[in-house]
Amino acid sequence: RKEVEQDPGPFNVPEGATVAFNCTYSNSASQSFFWYRQDCRKEPKLLMSVYSSGNEDGRFTAQLNRASQYISLLIRDSKLSDSATYLCVVKVGNAGKSTFGDGTTLTVKP
Amino acid sequence: EAEVAQSPRYKITEKSQAVAFWCDPISGHATLYWYRQILGQGPELLVQFQDESVVDDSQLPKDRFSAERLKGVDSTLKIQPAELGDSAMYLCASSLGGGVAGLHTQYFGPGTRLTVL
Repeated sequence: RKEVEQDPGPFNVPEGATVAFNCTYSNSASQSFFWYRQDCRKEPKLLMSVYSSGNEDGRFTAQLNRASQYISLLIRDSKLSDSATYLCVVKVGNAGKSTFGDGTTLTVKP
Repeated sequence: EAEVAQSPRYKITEKSQAVAFWCDPISGHATLYWYRQILGQGPELLVQFQDESVVDDSQLPKDRFSAERLKGVDSTLKIQPAELGDSAMYLCASSLGGGVAGLHTQYFGPGTRLTVL
């Protein structure tokens, strides 16, 4: 079993839809959590950190469930420009190793 | 906006040859990471530096891969000899580092796409 698991998708949704991705992690000592976005053949870019109480950045909402060891990303009012692969990242300790999931691919269609 | 620089952007080589990749992190970033990303997978950490010291190289295939960051600034990743299975994107990232969670956001360079024939 992988340390960080994501549903690869693809998720194909129409513009304006709401879509949610989950990511599960196996190491209960994990302390820091992030969502990165990666466009085709480009480098990953930080989308948002995930805080214990949940956090929102515009149309994006991230949640953490430590008891069940998963994080989620909700995208509201999807835009064509949201089409990308979304990578979940889990870090053990502030200076510890970061483990990436294999990503979930989202395609938003007109 | 400061960026992580990598070169070359693309490299084609034959198996058994030696290749080297270079990374210049964002100025002032103490932590530097090298990742390998195979198509369809997430980045896999190869080596992590804190200044000039290696803090994690557990996933680095040390029989053929080496990495250095001699002055704690830029870094070189070398593969010798290259094998067909090394074809991938090699990503460099940097972060400020330190004991505070917010200082560990990683910023990635554009990557070097390696093809081994």
